Amino acid sequence: GQQLNQSPQSMFIQEGEDVSMNCTSSSIFNTWLWYKQDPGEGPVLLIALYKAGELTSNGRLTAQFGITRKDSFLNISASIPSDVGIYFCAGGNSGGSNYKLTFGKGTLLTVNP
Amino acid sequence: ETGVTQTPRHLVMGMTNKKSLKCEQHLGHNAMYWYKQSAKKPLELMFVYSLEERVENNSVPSRFSPECPNSSHLFLHLHTLQPEDSALYLCASSQDSRLPGEQYFGPGTRLTVT
Repeated sequence: GQQLNQSPQSMFIQEGEDVSMNCTSSSIFNTWLWYKQDPGEGPVLLIALYKAGELTSNGRLTAQFGITRKDSFLNISASIPSDVGIYFCAGGNSGGSNYKLTFGKGTLLTVNP
Repeated sequence: ETGVTQTPRHLVMGMTNKKSLKCEQHLGHNAMYWYKQSAKKPLELMFVYSLEERVENNSVPSRFSPECPNSSHLFLHLHTLQPEDSALYLCASSQDSRLPGEQYFGPGTRLTVT
């Protein structure tokens, strides 16, 4: 099946620093979604991208749909302690009769106050 | 508030027990999903329901039995599970399982099989 390579696996940063993470694939996707998961909770949708080259922001978060449709990145500016969590990318495309999401393994973000 | 609720949040069961996980979505969506989340592995899709009809079963063992009585409720019936089935089970919903769109997740049920 399709696989996503998400990097880095983990990051340790100081409060106020900017963060960048990305997902790459050998396959083309029609959508890219970015989620954040806090301990003991389910993933929460941060940003959804539907068009190659699209750049979308949500507060301090910015995500881009790669022009090749095989990658996406997420930037977090001026990080704060509550940004701590696991960030997942998900690529979506049609698989048979259903639209499928393929998830990355996640990036664990730790922010030191 | 994601609009998707799951109960129980935590469950410990023996291998001979029978239990059920419940999911309810308040978003007016037509599709619902069960995922399994294990440590250091990507989310694994288990089942997809569209308008109460099961439209995908990803080679899940028969000890997991889903049920979707209406488009707002989804159950996962569990029986004779194995310790390796311990994981976080996530329910999600979307507007339409056939079209591009966002999936919204519940908080999950942390299952431990002893």
